[in-house]
Amino acid sequence: GAGVSQTPSNKVTEKGKYVELRCDPISGHTALYWYRQSLGQGPEFLIYFQGTGAADDSGLPNDRFFAVRPEGSVSTLKIQRTERGDSAVYLCASSVNLQETQYFGPGTRLLVL
Amino acid sequence: DAKTTQPPSMDCAEGRAANLPCNHSTISGNEYVYWYRQIHSQGPQYIIHGLKNNETNEMASLIITEDRKSSTLILPHATLRDTAVYYCIVRAYNAGNMLTFGGGTRLMVKP
Repeated sequence: GAGVSQTPSNKVTEKGKYVELRCDPISGHTALYWYRQSLGQGPEFLIYFQGTGAADDSGLPNDRFFAVRPEGSVSTLKIQRTERGDSAVYLCASSVNLQETQYFGPGTRLLVL
Repeated sequence: DAKTTQPPSMDCAEGRAANLPCNHSTISGNEYVYWYRQIHSQGPQYIIHGLKNNETNEMASLIITEDRKSSTLILPHATLRDTAVYYCIVRAYNAGNMLTFGGGTRLMVKP
């Protein structure tokens, strides 16, 4: 079946701009996670949702980062006033529920110039 | 979640078994051992997980020591496509625990 999909696959923006990254989880998965991966590092947790609500956003680096999941399916990660240090691969994962295995999408590669 | 320790890199000859070790000496009784791998420029791929019994699926086998302080992921017949970074992660089976990735092991399968 269809896996987790993320769009766009690549995004180039200028410092100070606003960006939105989209994640489509596996159908029927209620839990959704966002991670960020810098070059040469393992992924780092940002936020996760159970249904529509953000259950844990402790990994968001600052208030420029925000994520929503209004209907409990698709999620959007929003970054305001982008900085060069935000350049990374943003990964989304979903699972049937909060206990089960997480499956990852291919990621969105963000480059802030 | 308990911390894991993995060798930074390993080589394996194509067609041979790849045995990737992981140390998790502070693992708790309710924590599972998960393995993911990440092929260059792709998202992490789930491989296998276990609690205390050995597990096998179509991709790999997971051997967990009796004291659960270490484990080994076995790829029985490594191919060039198995070249990737392999992450061993310990995760509690309760609500919402995110995955904490360490540095992983970079496995290079050579012809």
